[in-house]
Amino acid sequence: RKEVEQDPGPFNVPEGATVAFNCTYSNSASQSFFWYRQDCRKEPKLLMSVYSSGNEDGRFTAQLNRASQYISLLIRDSKLSDSATYLCVVRDTGRRALTFGSGTRLQVQP
Amino acid sequence: DAGVTQSPTHLIKTRGQQVTLRCSPKSGHDTVSWYQQALGQGPQFIFQYYEEEERQRGNFPDRFSGHQFPNYSSELNVNALLLGDSALYLCASSLWGSSNQPQHFGDGTRLSIL
Repeated sequence: RKEVEQDPGPFNVPEGATVAFNCTYSNSASQSFFWYRQDCRKEPKLLMSVYSSGNEDGRFTAQLNRASQYISLLIRDSKLSDSATYLCVVRDTGRRALTFGSGTRLQVQP
Repeated sequence: DAGVTQSPTHLIKTRGQQVTLRCSPKSGHDTVSWYQQALGQGPQFIFQYYEEEERQRGNFPDRFSGHQFPNYSSELNVNALLLGDSALYLCASSLWGSSNQPQHFGDGTRLSIL
């Protein structure tokens, strides 16, 4: 079983749609959680950290459920520029390395 | 304020050869981590360097080795290259004392093995 699992997609949505990505992680000792965005053939860039109480940054909302070991990302009012791969990332207690999911590809269509 | 820089951008090698990739961390950062990203996959952790020592290592063979210099820059060396080593190699930098902070990535080196 992979340490971090994501639905690979692709998710094809029209502009203005709301889309949600889910991610599960296997290590209950995981400490820090992030969503990164990666454009085709580019490096991953931090989209947002994920906090236990949930957090929002403009059109993006992240949620964490430690009991279910589940992380989500909600994108409202999708833009063409949101088209990318979204990587769910976890860091375990006592480790400094990041563990990445395989990513979920989003294609926003006009 | 320079971000993470990596060189070269692209590299083509043949099986059995050796390669060295280079990384300069973001200004103010002292820790460098290396990741391998195969096509269609998320990045996989190779190892991390701090104070010129390897501090943590992922599930990669000894053919993968590294070094960190006093100015915090780092090299990744891969010996006896295999076709399966073809990937995007990413360097990320961070501050050792801020372990909960996210890592910042360079543009990566795209390595192709023929």
